[in-house]
Amino acid sequence: GQQLNQSPQSMFIQEGEDVSMNCTSSSIFNTWLWYKQDPGEGPVLLIALYKAGELTSNGRLTAQFGITRKDSFLNISASIPSDVGIYFCAPQAAGNKLTFGGGTRVLVKP
Amino acid sequence: SAVISQKPSRDICQRGTSLTIQCQVDSQVTMMFWYRQQPGQSLTLIATANQGSEATYESGFVIDKFPISRPNLTFSTLTVSNMSPEDSSIYLCSVEGGEGVDTQYFGPGTRLTVL
Repeated sequence: GQQLNQSPQSMFIQEGEDVSMNCTSSSIFNTWLWYKQDPGEGPVLLIALYKAGELTSNGRLTAQFGITRKDSFLNISASIPSDVGIYFCAPQAAGNKLTFGGGTRVLVKP
Repeated sequence: SAVISQKPSRDICQRGTSLTIQCQVDSQVTMMFWYRQQPGQSLTLIATANQGSEATYESGFVIDKFPISRPNLTFSTLTVSNMSPEDSSIYLCSVEGGEGVDTQYFGPGTRLTVL
């Protein structure tokens, strides 16, 4: 069956740092979405990618759709405390069905 | 993006009972979806709620356990039947982004605890 791997599972950030996370899949997708979920809330759409190789930014966030259509990464530049949360990749298959990665939990360094 | 509300926001239920969760969206949408998020886990698609026809369930989810209604283009319900503690999860509805837009927007979720 289809495998979707998101890494890292968790990371600690210090204010001002750049952070990066990625997802790889065994299947090809035509759409790749990135969401952020804060505690007690539903996922919020951050970036949508529709073309292989596409690089898209949303403020301090940048995401790219891999050229093979099997992977994607999300970068956060100059992190701030409100970047804490869980980030999910969610490639979209036929019938608009989303498959969610395992999530990357972003925490603040103590 | 669509504005989506869910009721209840949270509930604590006894095993063996059933709970119906409502999802309301502020615009007409063709496709609505129901997801489950078990504690500390990612989201898993339960079913696609189709207006005017039966819901389409994903592998591992059955209509007897999770009956779904979709009476119109702005509303859907998910019932969690004969609950057990293993059903304790967050249940989320989502809607498609709109004609020609391949995205989904999520409601705030319903946090269910089964004792």
